[in-house]
Amino acid sequence: EAGVAQSPRYKIIEKRQSVAFWCNPISGHATLYWYQQILGQGPKLLIQFQNNGVVDDSQLPKDRFSAERLKGVDSTLKIQPAKLEDSAVYLCASSLEFWEHEQYFGPGTRLTVT
Amino acid sequence: KQEVTQIPAALSVPEGENLVLNCSFTDSAIYNLQWFRQDPGKGLTSLLLIQSSQREQTSGRLNASLDKSSGRSTLYIAASQPGDSATYLCAVKETSGSRLTFGEGTQLTVNP
Repeated sequence: EAGVAQSPRYKIIEKRQSVAFWCNPISGHATLYWYQQILGQGPKLLIQFQNNGVVDDSQLPKDRFSAERLKGVDSTLKIQPAKLEDSAVYLCASSLEFWEHEQYFGPGTRLTVT
Repeated sequence: KQEVTQIPAALSVPEGENLVLNCSFTDSAIYNLQWFRQDPGKGLTSLLLIQSSQREQTSGRLNASLDKSSGRSTLYIAASQPGDSATYLCAVKETSGSRLTFGEGTQLTVNP
């Protein structure tokens, strides 16, 4: 069974530029999560989708971050414009349903904003 | 607001030692607690999950305990090996559909 796929693995941009990350969850998983992990900290949930609907985006900085999961499969997370403090690893995870305890994580995208 | 704290932040031990990682949480009304492992450049791998009604879970050399009333969990690793070197994270879920709240992790190094 293929795992959660993410791309790109690494990205370096200048502040005020835009960036987008892509995630393809495990086939058949209805729930998709985006986490932000700043160096030395635990992951923080940014947004949670159930199929193509948003379940929880309370910790998403909506003035600069956006995410979509249009067909209920893969998802894109965008930052526009980026700030220095957005430098982090962005992790995508998926689970069968939102109440499932087992979340499967992708390898993450490491973003550096200079 | 739930807060999760892990102590120590980093730990270095010689191979073969038994060790304990600690996790504490501020709100004892949790649904479950989970321990993860994170290797450099990789995502998280779930190690053990303890439901709120359980006291402990075991998998191989790993044993996790939960004391809800005191807001604490421990991860016990027996006979540590260099391959156990990684960052260990604990996370709590407050209701069946709620988000995971993570601690900051303990970076473990097991020296051969």
